[in-house]
Amino acid sequence: KNQVEQSPQSLIILEGKNCTLQCNYTVSPFSNLRWYKQDTGRGPVSLTIMTFSENTKSNGRYTATLDADTKQSSLHITASQLSDSASYICVVSEGFQKLVFGTGTRLLVSP
Amino acid sequence: EAQVTQNPRYLITVTGKKLTVTCSQNMNHEYMSWYRQDPGLGLRQIYYSMNVEVTDKGDVPEGYKVSRKEKRNFPLILESPSPNQTSLYFCASSLSLDGGQGEAFFGQGTRLTVV
Repeated sequence: KNQVEQSPQSLIILEGKNCTLQCNYTVSPFSNLRWYKQDTGRGPVSLTIMTFSENTKSNGRYTATLDADTKQSSLHITASQLSDSASYICVVSEGFQKLVFGTGTRLLVSP
Repeated sequence: EAQVTQNPRYLITVTGKKLTVTCSQNMNHEYMSWYRQDPGLGLRQIYYSMNVEVTDKGDVPEGYKVSRKEKRNFPLILESPSPNQTSLYFCASSLSLDGGQGEAFFGQGTRLTVV
């Protein structure tokens, strides 16, 4: 069964600190992997998209990595800000027809 | 401004009363889809459409219908809503699902309560 698993489920960090979120997937056929940020009650917003051949991609303070051999990805957030408090969702494209969503990591950045 | 617009944002209805949630995108995207999001679960796909007049079932299609008569619109129809369809619904669109063109844009969400 195609699945995307994320860890941790939730995380609290102090403002200014770094953190890393993990994503493991078993989706096949694999097309690409995305990270989304979802503020409470809002629609997800794309942070990065990586294809099979890419192993790192940055978007400002967000850096995503992809290891297609081990089917793992991580999202690193540098110098966290209060506005980073949100859910971060890992999504894998199963072929070109559907997206498989993880359940997300809920991040709280505390002052 | 590029966007996906859903309406209504909030809806409370009674069991069995037909309703439609509209979704419109202004980016000329081919691919559109509907998802529901429930606590503790990832977004689950209800239906998707890869082009006009082409729709397919997602993972949880029971109790829902869609149509794609025009490229920009993709309404979600609940013919006879039931309480288990109480959820947060998102419409999304993208040029394709191919990596380089695959960025998906989501609507603001529709919170539906069926009593």
